[in-house]
Amino acid sequence: QKEVEQDPGPLSVPEGAIVSLNCTYSNSAFQYFMWYRQYSRKGPELLMYTYSSGNKEDGRFTAQVDKSSKYISLFIRDSQPSDSATYLCAMSALIKAAGNKLTFGGGTRVLVKP
Amino acid sequence: DTAVSQTPKYLVTQMGNDKSIKCEQNLGHDTMYWYKQDSKKFLKIMFSYNNKELIINETVPNRFSPKSPDKAHLNLHINSLELGDSAVYFCASSQDGRSPLHFGNGTRLTVT
Repeated sequence: QKEVEQDPGPLSVPEGAIVSLNCTYSNSAFQYFMWYRQYSRKGPELLMYTYSSGNKEDGRFTAQVDKSSKYISLFIRDSQPSDSATYLCAMSALIKAAGNKLTFGGGTRVLVKP
Repeated sequence: DTAVSQTPKYLVTQMGNDKSIKCEQNLGHDTMYWYKQDSKKFLKIMFSYNNKELIINETVPNRFSPKSPDKAHLNLHINSLELGDSAVYFCASSQDGRSPLHFGNGTRLTVT
């Protein structure tokens, strides 16, 4: 069993719908949680960064962390075709102050249809 | 104004060859990384350097040798390339151990 599980999709939604993505994890030491977006043939681009449990909102994006359930979510409101990409969750436990060792999920491919 | 840049973008080579990938960041970050993304899209850390000092060294064959001439550059040299080394290699940087990573656009390595 992988440390971070993420449904690979694809997740297909109509334009304007809410996209709901999630990851589960097994390592209770994880404290820092991130969501990245990756377009084809590009590098991962940071979308959201949260520390510990709670919600964080940035524009159309909302990230939620539930450490008690070891479950994180990303919601994308008013989805656009340009949101079509692979979404990767990532998390880390602060072990070495000088290096952030991220553990990634395998990514969920999202397709927003016009 | 690319923040993290890698060269080359594509690398096709034969088994047994030695190759290098270069990475530079202009974000002023102290920490740089190499990650490998396999065909199933999983990203796994290989190395991390902080101010030219090796901080993280995962279970990577010693054919892979990172080198950091200064804190803005982190290169990856690979000796005796094998078919299984085919993957996309991403360079990344972060301000410190608590900060999120910023990634380059990757080097797609194909070993034939």
